[in-house]
Amino acid sequence: EAQVTQNPRYLITVTGKKLTVTCSQNMNHEYMSWYRQDPGLGLRQIYYSMNVEVTDKGDVPEGYKVSRKEKRNFPLILESPSPNQTSLYFCASSLMGNENQAFFGQGTRLTVV
Amino acid sequence: QKEVEQNSGPLSVPEGAIASLNCTYSDRGSQSFFWYRQYSGKSPELIMSIYSNGDKEDGRFTAQLNKASQYVSLLIRDSQPSDSATYLCAVPSGSGYALNFGKGTSLLVTP
Repeated sequence: EAQVTQNPRYLITVTGKKLTVTCSQNMNHEYMSWYRQDPGLGLRQIYYSMNVEVTDKGDVPEGYKVSRKEKRNFPLILESPSPNQTSLYFCASSLMGNENQAFFGQGTRLTVV
Repeated sequence: QKEVEQNSGPLSVPEGAIASLNCTYSDRGSQSFFWYRQYSGKSPELIMSIYSNGDKEDGRFTAQLNKASQYVSLLIRDSQPSDSATYLCAVPSGSGYALNFGKGTSLLVTP
């Protein structure tokens, strides 16, 4: 089954404790991205990657890091989480080209206290 | 920053009626347009894509595109309570790689 898998689905952590949210896709997609979704603000892109070892900032990259060492995986790293990073996070993947739909992971609800 | 605008709603329609959801975009060069449905707490799922001016129908859903007016809409015929969700309009960025999303329109279909 074609899918994008994120883990964990839910996470409560404390300020400053490094965490990683994993994302894996099995569709051989070149393009992967991370979004956060907040009430009233919609989906905002954090980082994206057009292929292995190629990553770039989206609209709200501050406080986040990513890596793309393998085509299928695109982890999101919060080196020192803060309460304003409490949000619902989605990973997405697609084939390159603007006619291709994005497939989303199930989401990770992160709470930083 | 390319903008995609939607009314936040909520849009309330009775069961069986036609729901009309609208989206405007700022980049005249945009070539493809997507509608995603998102249930509360769940991930967005693609329901329609449209690339050419005019209408595109898929079951109870019709997407309408007017590039001259920079306007794309989604019609849902015979609305069902299960259609109650937030509908997101998405337009690729200038590079064609990122998707710019509107903030979504909340639809409530009442029995």
